[in-house]
Amino acid sequence: AQSVAQPEDQVNVAEGNPLTVKCTYSVSGNPYLFWYVQYPNRGLQFLLKYITGDNLVKGSYGFEAEFNKSQTSFHLKKPSALVSDSALYFCAVRDMLNSGAGSYQLTFGKGTKLSVIP
Amino acid sequence: NAGVTQTPKFQVLKTGQSMTLQCAQDMNHNSMYWYRQDPGMGLRLIYYSASEGTTDKGEVPNGYNVSRLNKREFSLRLESAAPSQTSVYFCASLREVTTVYEQYFGPGTRLTVT
Repeated sequence: AQSVAQPEDQVNVAEGNPLTVKCTYSVSGNPYLFWYVQYPNRGLQFLLKYITGDNLVKGSYGFEAEFNKSQTSFHLKKPSALVSDSALYFCAVRDMLNSGAGSYQLTFGKGTKLSVIP
Repeated sequence: NAGVTQTPKFQVLKTGQSMTLQCAQDMNHNSMYWYRQDPGMGLRLIYYSASEGTTDKGEVPNGYNVSRLNKREFSLRLESAAPSQTSVYFCASLREVTTVYEQYFGPGTRLTVT
């Protein structure tokens, strides 16, 4: 089974500073990797994905992520953090389901709480 | 488009009571999912439906049943609720077209079992 790990439960960053939320993955084959954000009392929202192509992927709200095959990492980044970026961030990998070919799920990391301090 | 909708938003049950969580999507997606979210555990897959008429177990199916009523609707039933089922439940559907692969989530149902 595929898996992702988010080594930090919480990340604190000052407003205006760059932020990084870390994710490492373990997959067989080519990875499909994702970042989702969850604001308080809301469902998860898609931010960006890596399937193939450029290692630097740009997504919503000014976020980007860098795919690094040698380090098996897919870290989420933003050059200048906003207070409104404070939320829970989930890394995820596509994984095949038991029911056979063509059936997939997303396996999520445990999440990282990002707090941007004014 | 409303996207993925869930009802109810909140529910309190007593141990042993039953209830059904409703989910619907208007995006014509084939695959739908039920997750539970617990602090420090991320999201765990309860059941999924790869297409209308099919359902299958995920990582944590015990104590739950599902019905894929039609392409739009995928319900989750707790037959005899237990305190361990206190959680936030999310329904999701999947858009998969060539390299486009995005899961859309509902707003969640916050369930407390006392």
